[in-house]
Amino acid sequence: KQEVTQIPAALSVPEGENLVLNCSFTDSAIYNLQWFRQDPGKGLTSLLLIQSSQREQTSGRLNASLDKSSGRSTLYIAASQPGDSATYLCAVRPVWPDSWGKLQFGAGTQVVVTP
Amino acid sequence: NAGVMQNPRHLVRRRGQEARLRCSPMKGHSHVYWYRQLPEEGLKFMVYLQKENIIDESGMPKERFSAEFPKEGPSILRIQQVVRGDSAAYFCASSPRSAEGKQYFGPGTRLTVT
Repeated sequence: KQEVTQIPAALSVPEGENLVLNCSFTDSAIYNLQWFRQDPGKGLTSLLLIQSSQREQTSGRLNASLDKSSGRSTLYIAASQPGDSATYLCAVRPVWPDSWGKLQFGAGTQVVVTP
Repeated sequence: NAGVMQNPRHLVRRRGQEARLRCSPMKGHSHVYWYRQLPEEGLKFMVYLQKENIIDESGMPKERFSAEFPKEGPSILRIQQVVRGDSAAYFCASSPRSAEGKQYFGPGTRLTVT
């Protein structure tokens, strides 16, 4: 059974520092991994999606890496800003045909960036 | 292209009433997913639907919950005889295809059972 874990559960950094968020999963048979951002009382915004054949994806200040064999993904946010304060979720998608449609989420890392 | 639409955004029901949550996927998307986020818990998958078909309902509670995605109109998540434990945020997502595409999430419906 797949389990997705995010450590730490909460993180507070001063503005300008780089953020490193970790996601681990127990079953390496994944199709892809997606990172999301959730603001309080709001929906999820997709940040990056990494296919299982890829090692990393980049978008602006965001970079996500994937090591499928060790069951790990890391989200890096460079030069953090107060607007980056949110909860960050990772989710894995299993390979066909096992539970094909569903994403399995970690519990999230709550990030606070202080000015 | 409008995003995934959910309504209502907030819903209050008394115990024993029915709750109907609606989801309109993004234009061109034919796959819909429902997730539930209980207070202080992570998002949990409930059901995956295509037009007129339930593909995977492994996350749906066995009783009182049902979902549909008709040929015309939005997807509906129906909860009969609600109880306090049903209070949660219910999110809908859609994708153009089930395989490679991202799932795009709506803003959620926050259900409160009094």
